[in-house]
Amino acid sequence: NAGVTQTPKFQVLKTGQSMTLQCAQDMNHEYMSWYRQDPGMGLRLIHYSVGAGITDQGEVPNGYNVSRSTTEDFPLRLLSAAPSQTSVYFCASSYSTLGSSPLHFGNGTRLTVT
Amino acid sequence: TQLLEQSPQFLSIQEGENLTVYCNSSSVFSSLQWYRQEPGEGPVLLVTVVTGGEVKKLKRLTFQFGDARKDSSLHITAAQPGDTGLYLCAVLFRAGAQKLVFGQGTRLTINP
Repeated sequence: NAGVTQTPKFQVLKTGQSMTLQCAQDMNHEYMSWYRQDPGMGLRLIHYSVGAGITDQGEVPNGYNVSRSTTEDFPLRLLSAAPSQTSVYFCASSYSTLGSSPLHFGNGTRLTVT
Repeated sequence: TQLLEQSPQFLSIQEGENLTVYCNSSSVFSSLQWYRQEPGEGPVLLVTVVTGGEVKKLKRLTFQFGDARKDSSLHITAAQPGDTGLYLCAVLFRAGAQKLVFGQGTRLTINP
């Protein structure tokens, strides 16, 4: 049971570089989401998807793009990295309606932008 | 703006003591979840509460949902070092919403 798998675990970027954070789940969950976690600010929702082909913005979407071409994968793209995007990024998925079923989280990607 | 505040932000106590942490909202919410996160890992669900006034127990952990559906508390009895972690509350502000809003967390340290 792999659950939610995030790669890479660590990444260092220079300002202006682009990259894609990968997220895959093997639980056939329809709902997937990306959060960033910063000290003292909890988890903030970046983007989410309720199914393949459907994505929407969360609280802090600027500077990030997502797509959902399959049920299993939900990559997060940083188009032009900025130091303000230094954070720990978590991907999470859920089987059913939020609030009645748990969010299953990956183990995170720690990103540093210099 | 719907806000969720957790208190205290940090708590360090000795093994065997009792403690309570709080989660308070500026708005009524539909349901609330408590998660625990350990270093280097993602959060893991502890409990979901959906009914005002509801109390749930998980071994030494007692979760309470306020009658007005705007607050919740987590009480730990006889804390153990294994309880150390970041405790996060998360709410849905309305049924059917697709955004789970997290508080900033309480970082709990239990000293042997």
